[in-house]
Amino acid sequence: GQNIDQPTEMTATEGAIVQINCTYQTSGFNGLFWYQQHAGEAPTFLSYNVLDGLEEKGRFSSFLSRSKGYSYLLLKELQMKDSASYLCAVVDSNYQLIWGAGTKLIIKP
Amino acid sequence: IAGITQAPTSQILAAGRRMTLRCTQDMRHNAMYWYRQDLGLGLRLIHYSNTAGTTGKGEVPDGYSVSRANTDDFPLTLASAVPSQTSVYFCASSERGGTYNEQFFGPGTRLTVL
Repeated sequence: GQNIDQPTEMTATEGAIVQINCTYQTSGFNGLFWYQQHAGEAPTFLSYNVLDGLEEKGRFSSFLSRSKGYSYLLLKELQMKDSASYLCAVVDSNYQLIWGAGTKLIIKP
Repeated sequence: IAGITQAPTSQILAAGRRMTLRCTQDMRHNAMYWYRQDLGLGLRLIHYSNTAGTTGKGEVPDGYSVSRANTDDFPLTLASAVPSQTSVYFCASSERGGTYNEQFFGPGTRLTVL
């Protein structure tokens, strides 16, 4: 079967750095997305990785290792507005998105 | 520019009733999707459409139907609602289907079936 694993919840301090991990086992791989979802709102796109390595975009970076079936989202200089759920999704061999349950990130002052 | 709109925002429905959730996009995207989101689970694909006039089944299609008469609209119908269909429903679109294109989401419809 297809499986995406993420931690359910993480807590971090304002101004700090946090890494949210995602491991996956899917039928085929055509890339991995990270989305951010604030409570009661729609998911919004953060990043897309299809090649191994780190992609940096401002305070957010995303890393992919296809051989290990592993990705992480790195958030730097955390702000209170970063409190949200972070969703990992893999594009499978049929180009369908397989979604993880999401990681709820709580930022404390 | 609205992007994707969904209606209603929320609804309480008696079991056995028929309900249509509406979704409209103004981005001229070819592909559209319906997901449900339940606590502790990832988004699950119900139905999708890669282009107007075509539809396909996702992971959890039972009890739901869709139509795609034109590019902009993609309604989701529950023929006879059951309590297990209580969920938050998101409509999404992407420029093309069958690719890795980013998906854009509507604000969601919160549905409660009693």
